[in-house]
Amino acid sequence: GAVVSQHPSWVICKSGTSVKIECRSLDFQATTMFWYRQFPKQSLMLMATSNEGSKATYEQGVEKDKFLINHASLTLSTLTVTSAHPEDSSFYICSATPSVGGRIDTQYFGPGTRLTVL
Amino acid sequence: EDQVTQSPEALRLQEGESSSLNCSYTVSGLRGLFWYRQDPGKGPEFLFTLYSAGEEKEKERLKATLTKKESFLHITAPKPEDSATYLCAVPMRFGAGTRLTVKP
Repeated sequence: GAVVSQHPSWVICKSGTSVKIECRSLDFQATTMFWYRQFPKQSLMLMATSNEGSKATYEQGVEKDKFLINHASLTLSTLTVTSAHPEDSSFYICSATPSVGGRIDTQYFGPGTRLTVL
Repeated sequence: EDQVTQSPEALRLQEGESSSLNCSYTVSGLRGLFWYRQDPGKGPEFLFTLYSAGEEKEKERLKATLTKKESFLHITAPKPEDSATYLCAVPMRFGAGTRLTVKP
């Protein structure tokens, strides 16, 4: 149980294009999903918290107009990197939590998406 | 601001050589301390959640313990397949990880 999928697993794009990454909770409903990015040999940095049916909450320093997050259903959240540039190249990981009663329960992570911007 | 510090940064063990990984944390109110395992190029895999000081959890060769300021991940008689980066986290804030290598 508690499986989270991401698609695509890797993507290469040209500078200036937009890329959409999907995150799905396969066997549970996730009212809250999180998006992280991870640079080589570094830990996960939280980008934003996404709640179903409402606007995402972005961490300080993360451009909300560049990283568009949509959480349209209890099993799907998407991250769109708009007008991507080489510095956006990174490993993007989503997680989902079957949060209950306001307690932040265990996060279950997707396998990650490797974005390379040429 | 919540902080999580892990040590050591890297640890090399011989197969069968037991050791412990440390996670020091500072939070305004503990809502869970999480341990994850991450293999290269993959997302973190959940291991344990601890909620209160004195709590312990075990899974195969791994045992996690919690005090009011620290958590330890004890690895007993590790095998090469235990090689990975082990991450400690409080909600939404991760430590830098300990990169464990177990040599046969």
